[in-house]
Amino acid sequence: AQSVTQPDIHITVSEGASLELRCNYSYGATPYLFWYVQSPGQGLQLLLKYFSGDTLVQGIKGFEAEFKRSQSSFNLRKPSVHWSDAAEYFCAVGGPGNQFYFGTGTSLTVIP
Amino acid sequence: EPEVTQTPSHQVTQMGQEVILRCVPISNHLYFYWYRQILGQKVEFLVSFYNNEISEKSEIFDDQFSVERPDGSNFTLKIRSTKLEDSAMYFCASSDRSYNSPLHFGNGTRLTVT
Repeated sequence: AQSVTQPDIHITVSEGASLELRCNYSYGATPYLFWYVQSPGQGLQLLLKYFSGDTLVQGIKGFEAEFKRSQSSFNLRKPSVHWSDAAEYFCAVGGPGNQFYFGTGTSLTVIP
Repeated sequence: EPEVTQTPSHQVTQMGQEVILRCVPISNHLYFYWYRQILGQKVEFLVSFYNNEISEKSEIFDDQFSVERPDGSNFTLKIRSTKLEDSAMYFCASSDRSYNSPLHFGNGTRLTVT
């Protein structure tokens, strides 16, 4: 069965520091992978997606993610975090039919 | 940029009442979805809708729930006889094709059942 695991429930980083949010997936075929961000009281905004091709994908707001098939991972990275990046981050995999499976999310706190 | 809009932003209802959550998907999108997020928990799939019928639903989406596209623009989720555990944020989403197309989400309706 398809599933997504985000091992880190909460991460705190200093502004300007680098960031990596982990995502592991379980899927029987070539996965379609996504990262979404949710600011407080807001909906889910797409940061980036991976379908095929280059395993390093660039997204909005300076985020990137790397697909590693051997590790079943799709970790999200940002070289220098800004205070406005504080939010909840969700990894998702596109499943059969048209259902998406979301991870439990990682809450990011940015300290000055 | 086109957006998915949801109304109301917050709905309070008494247990046992019926509620209708409304969504206007992006106009050229063909696939519509409802997701639910109970406070502090992950986003859960409820139902997907295509070509005027349900294409997939989760085990959460039981007979208490129904969806409808009453006209060319609105997409609604009806919850009959609400329960306390239905309190959650409900997100509508749409996409222009299935499977590998990103979902575009609305800002959600926070449903509080008292």
